[in-house]
Amino acid sequence: DGGITQSPKYLFRKEGQNVTLSCEQNLNHDAMYWYRQDPGQGLRLIYYSQIVNDFQKGDIAEGYSVSREKKESFPLTVTSAQKNPTAFYLCASSTNTEAFFGQGTRLTVV
Amino acid sequence: GQNIDQPTEMTATEGAIVQINCTYQTSGFNGLFWYQQHAGEAPTFLSYNVLDGLEEKGRFSSFLSRSKGYSYLLLKELQMKDSASYLCAVRALYSGAGSYQLTFGKGTKLSVIP
Repeated sequence: DGGITQSPKYLFRKEGQNVTLSCEQNLNHDAMYWYRQDPGQGLRLIYYSQIVNDFQKGDIAEGYSVSREKKESFPLTVTSAQKNPTAFYLCASSTNTEAFFGQGTRLTVV
Repeated sequence: GQNIDQPTEMTATEGAIVQINCTYQTSGFNGLFWYQQHAGEAPTFLSYNVLDGLEEKGRFSSFLSRSKGYSYLLLKELQMKDSASYLCAVRALYSGAGSYQLTFGKGTKLSVIP
């Protein structure tokens, strides 16, 4: 089945630790995106990538990093520099006419 | 930059019709998407418009007017399970990077009541 997979679904992190969220798609989509959603809020763009080995900062990139070494994969690292990392993280991939989300990763800093 | 506006909340009655509006200001427009998001879950894709006019998909329809920077999502024969947030998203060329961003509005929380 084609789709976009995020893992893990729930993640707990201690303050000061970096953590990497996985996003894999087998839809052959060129574009991939990372968003953050806080309770009762909309989706805010962290990073996006249109092609392999290229990515751009979104509106709230500070404290995050990404890589795009393969078309299928777009991992997001939440670094210790991110001051308020507890949130729901959503990865999406798209063509020109469709865009689909993974199930999301709920990150909690403890 | 891009600006996308939607009403924050709406309430409608089971069996009725509801229209959720979305207005946007952007340059390099390249399509508008609508999503449904139930609480605690990821958004699911509903529709895509890039040309003016109405796209119909079962109980859901979406309309676009590019000259007015306006879209709406029309839900017919409302069911209780339609209670969710509805997100409008615009795909536009980000000139600084020569690539396309997908930017979301804050969403409209729809409550369907008996």
